[in-house]
Amino acid sequence: DIQMTQSPSTLSASVGDRVTITCRASQSVNNWLAWYQQKPGKAPKLLIYKTSNLENGVPSRFSGSGSGTEFTLTISYLQAEDFATYYCQHYNNYLFPFGQGTKLEIK
Amino acid sequence: QVTMRESGPALVKPTQTLTLTCTFSGFSLTTSGMCVGWVRQPPGKALEWLARIDWDDDEFYTTSLKTRLAISKDTSKNQVVVTMSNVDPMDTATYYCTRIRYLSRAERYYYMDVWGEGTTVTVSS
Repeated sequence: DIQMTQSPSTLSASVGDRVTITCRASQSVNNWLAWYQQKPGKAPKLLIYKTSNLENGVPSRFSGSGSGTEFTLTISYLQAEDFATYYCQHYNNYLFPFGQGTKLEIK
Repeated sequence: QVTMRESGPALVKPTQTLTLTCTFSGFSLTTSGMCVGWVRQPPGKALEWLARIDWDDDEFYTTSLKTRLAISKDTSKNQVVVTMSNVDPMDTATYYCTRIRYLSRAERYYYMDVWGEGTTVTVSS
């Protein structure tokens, strides 16, 4: 099975910063990758699907890119409400492996 | 508006069978491309996909738990039920149901676009 690994595990940043979270697959994969945001005590929320497609209602400061084994989520201008944990997830062969998560903290 | 809601016991004893129900609205599980899945999250840990059932009755399970899981649907009630047998304290987690859909008939890429609030299950004697 494909494993997804995110880096960093924790990221400290300030409002207004541009940040990038990386998700690496254990082998080359197609672009069937999604990103989710989860705030404490809440359910995950879909941000991006198929690597770079923004879900309806998600602010345009979020963007995704990548191919092969490396994918990224970028937040271009951090807002206070963006501090949360982010998960990548791939879809392949009927399975949905998640990354271990990246916690975005206020510096 | 699509909504998902999980229900089930808050406490289960080791070796028992856990049964969780997902009640949804705003879509039909008879529509091509629509699926419902279950994801769990142990306290302080990452998300883990468990199972999925499709509009055409296909069922899929995570490799590590496939012998312990069973998923079923009742389209007349808009419900999906998952059972997990022989539970262990390691199964303590928040369990989420999600709507899963594919991008198109031509591109069978599935992703989870709507989530329930989750239900917390503790396995303890």
